[in-house]
Amino acid sequence: DADVTQTPRNRITKTGKRIMLECSQTKGHDRMYWYRQDPGLGLRLIYYSFDVKDINKGEISDGYSVSRQAQAKFSLSLESAIPNQTALYFCATSTGTNTDTQYFGPGTRLTVL
Amino acid sequence: QKEVEQDPGPLSVPEGAIVSLNCTYSNSAFQYFMWYRQYSRKGPELLMYTYSSGNKEDGRFTAQVDKSSKYISLFIRDSQPSDSATYLCAMSAYTGGFKTIFGAGTRLFVKA
Repeated sequence: DADVTQTPRNRITKTGKRIMLECSQTKGHDRMYWYRQDPGLGLRLIYYSFDVKDINKGEISDGYSVSRQAQAKFSLSLESAIPNQTALYFCATSTGTNTDTQYFGPGTRLTVL
Repeated sequence: QKEVEQDPGPLSVPEGAIVSLNCTYSNSAFQYFMWYRQYSRKGPELLMYTYSSGNKEDGRFTAQVDKSSKYISLFIRDSQPSDSATYLCAMSAYTGGFKTIFGAGTRLFVKA
């Protein structure tokens, strides 16, 4: 089984709808991240959490919110989806030690019409 | 100016070629330098990391860091079609907690 899982893998929705993307991990890492990936822009950090009680905004948090329900679960919500939130979304985890190597999930492809 | 700059490519080479992928950065606090590989429809996976300046070799892959020039490179020898992927550089610094920044990624195609 994959260490970092994301659901759903693909989602098409309409402008104004509320969307939740979920991430679960079995790596036992305290740190979890949400990124979006757009062609030519690379990975951009949306939110990150260093433990269950610690949530921080990344560089592009506007229009997004998160919830860290447990060490293993970190969900990303789009309260009112808009077309420019169409992107590939990745969840990642890390130990926060040494190189802070990040382990990524398989991604969720979100399309907002 | 972005903290990490990486040419998005695409870069197309014949099988067996030596590939050179590069990134530049502006933050001198970066200490760890990493290369991730991302296959189509997959999440990025760590390929190699280097601490501070110098070279590191792992099979056909060599990572180089030149902190004085704020420039890092990944070389792939005897490239194979299976190396076709997007390669992202990443750098981290410890500033009261690790901060990691990713480059935009370079898309590589190795033609058989």
